Amino acid sequence: DAGVTQSPTHLIKTRGQQVTLRCSPKSGHDTVSWYQQALGQGPQFIFQYYEEEERQRGNFPDRFSGHQFPNYSSELNVNALLLGDSALYLCASSLTGYGSPLHFGNGTRLTVT
Amino acid sequence: DQQVKQNSPSLSVQEGRISILNCDYTNSMFDYFLWYKKYPAEGPTFLISISSIKDKNEDGRFTVFLNKSAKHLSLHIVPSQPGDSAVYFCAPSSNTGKLIFGQGTTLQVKP
Repeated sequence: DAGVTQSPTHLIKTRGQQVTLRCSPKSGHDTVSWYQQALGQGPQFIFQYYEEEERQRGNFPDRFSGHQFPNYSSELNVNALLLGDSALYLCASSLTGYGSPLHFGNGTRLTVT
Repeated sequence: DQQVKQNSPSLSVQEGRISILNCDYTNSMFDYFLWYKKYPAEGPTFLISISSIKDKNEDGRFTVFLNKSAKHLSLHIVPSQPGDSAVYFCAPSSNTGKLIFGQGTTLQVKP
């Protein structure tokens, strides 16, 4: 049973560019959340998708956007990249409903130069 | 505004002894508390959780204690094993389902 898979594993971009990160949820899961983890910090919530709609959003600018597809997979897009966007981006899936633990992928390491 | 604090960045214990990791929170709306473990180059892995209606939950070597009045929870690992060496995150949640992570505590268990 495949868990959460993310691609690519590593990415290097230049300031001002745009990036798209991809996530396939664990089989049977219908909710996808994205987190950003800076070095030495805990993951910070970006947003959550359910039924192809953004259900919740954290304190991130509009440069961060996402999408969920009918097969529950998801994309995270970041426009106009800044140096401060360099981080590990984690995708997590869960079943909808309160108290369902999140299952995380191994993340995409984004470096902005 | 840091809603979740893990005040010990690191902890070192001897194999076989008890590891105690602490977490403090400020938001009284949190009512479900999770602990995650993270190894290098891997995503966080769910470890154990506790609902606010309980004050203790146990799963094998792992026990989580919740003190709602003090807004404090702790994770006990006994006996500690070298394979437990990892970063541990406390992650409370309210009814929104969104997890708020602490900064993490790096546990090192020495053989």
